[in-house]
Parts: sequence; C-alpha cells; structure tokens
Amino acid sequence: SQQGEEDPQALSIQEGENATMNCSYKTSINNLQWYRQNSGRGLVHLILIRSNEREKHSGRLRVTLDTSKKSSSLLITASRAADTASYFCATDANNFNKFYFGSGTKLNVKP
Amino acid sequence: DAGVIQSPRHEVTEMGQEVTLRCKPISGHNSLFWYRQTMMRGLELLIYFNNNVPIDDSGMPEDRFSAKMPNASFSTLKIQPSEPRDSAVYFCASSPDRGRENIQYFGAGTRLSVL
Repeated sequence: SQQGEEDPQALSIQEGENATMNCSYKTSINNLQWYRQNSGRGLVHLILIRSNEREKHSGRLRVTLDTSKKSSSLLITASRAADTASYFCATDANNFNKFYFGSGTKLNVKP
Repeated sequence: DAGVIQSPRHEVTEMGQEVTLRCKPISGHNSLFWYRQTMMRGLELLIYFNNNVPIDDSGMPEDRFSAKMPNASFSTLKIQPSEPRDSAVYFCASSPDRGRENIQYFGAGTRLSVL
C-alpha cells in the first residue's frame, strides 16, 4: 500500500518544547503534505513539500523530505497547548489528485 | 467562502436503513473526495470526482455504497442498506485543479452511527 505511516502514534510534551513527527511512505511521490486534525473536526492543510525540495518552513513548522529514504519529518517549534491535535502526512503516489493519508500522530501539548 | 459544507453533522440510524450524506464543495474547485475515518482503519479514500466525473471508486467498500455528483456544487454518498460496521466519520473534501500542488479542503464531517 502507498499509505504513509506516522511515528510515533502518540506524543505528549510540555508547552514550549519542540515536537517532531515522522512519516514514511512506500512509492515515489510528486509531493508530500502535512495536515492537522483537531478533535471532532476535519483535516486542515499545514504545508506541502515537493519531491525536489529537502526542507520547507512555515511559521513554527519545519518539514524535511528525504526521498531516498522515503521519509519526511514535521517539526513544531515552541509548541503551544493549541497545537494539541492529530497530524497526518499525505502522499500523492504520482497521481496529483489522489492522496494517501497515514494513520496519524496524536500530539498532546500540556500547558 | 464558507468552506466545504457537509450535512448532516450527525446521523443515527438503524441497520438496514438508507443513509444519504451530502456535500457542497468550495466554489471553483474541480475535484471532490469522499473519505471514511475509523479508529481501526484510519482515513480511507472511498471515491473521488474530477469535473463531476467519478475517476476512482476503488475504495468504495461494497455495492451498498454509491456516490453521485450531479453538478459542480453538490455530491451525495449513499449507503443502502446500512450496517453497524458502516459506523464512522465520513468526510468530504474538495480541491482546486492546480496541477502538481493540489491541497485538499475538508468539511467538518458526518458522524454516522448505525445501530
């Protein structure tokens, strides 16, 4: 299956600490995206990284992509309680419209 | 724009009943997706449409599931007859056709409980 797998499944940290989540996938991609899902809500797009990019930043988010290892990481710096959510990676398997979502990392940021 | 709108937000029904979930995508978006989310299986793509045409329905679990997109502003996902194992949160998402960088915009979901 193309589906990505996030690691860890769950992460609990204190406010102000950094949170790192990892995603591994199986086949070649055009781009990889990260989404956030707050409890009881739909997914919200955070950031997209193209297959020819190695690193991308957006505010407190930093995403890296290693296509040779078929892996990506999402770093949230200086975490806040409001960052508490599940985070998913999504890969497109060379089909720009069809995405495969991983199982998610559940992040809990304690105030 | 109000975003992707799904209705109802919650649906409780009895086994064997027909269930219809509705979705209004963001105006101007060319692609529409139906997903199902459960604890066991995560987020699964059921079907997606491009310009109102079903492109890939390989994720539709059984013939009991059907989806339509009669026009660019409306789609339905129907389950007939429903079964308890269909209980899940169903999401609709839409995406503009921007070539290589298609971001998906999700609705708030419909939580379905089949008793």
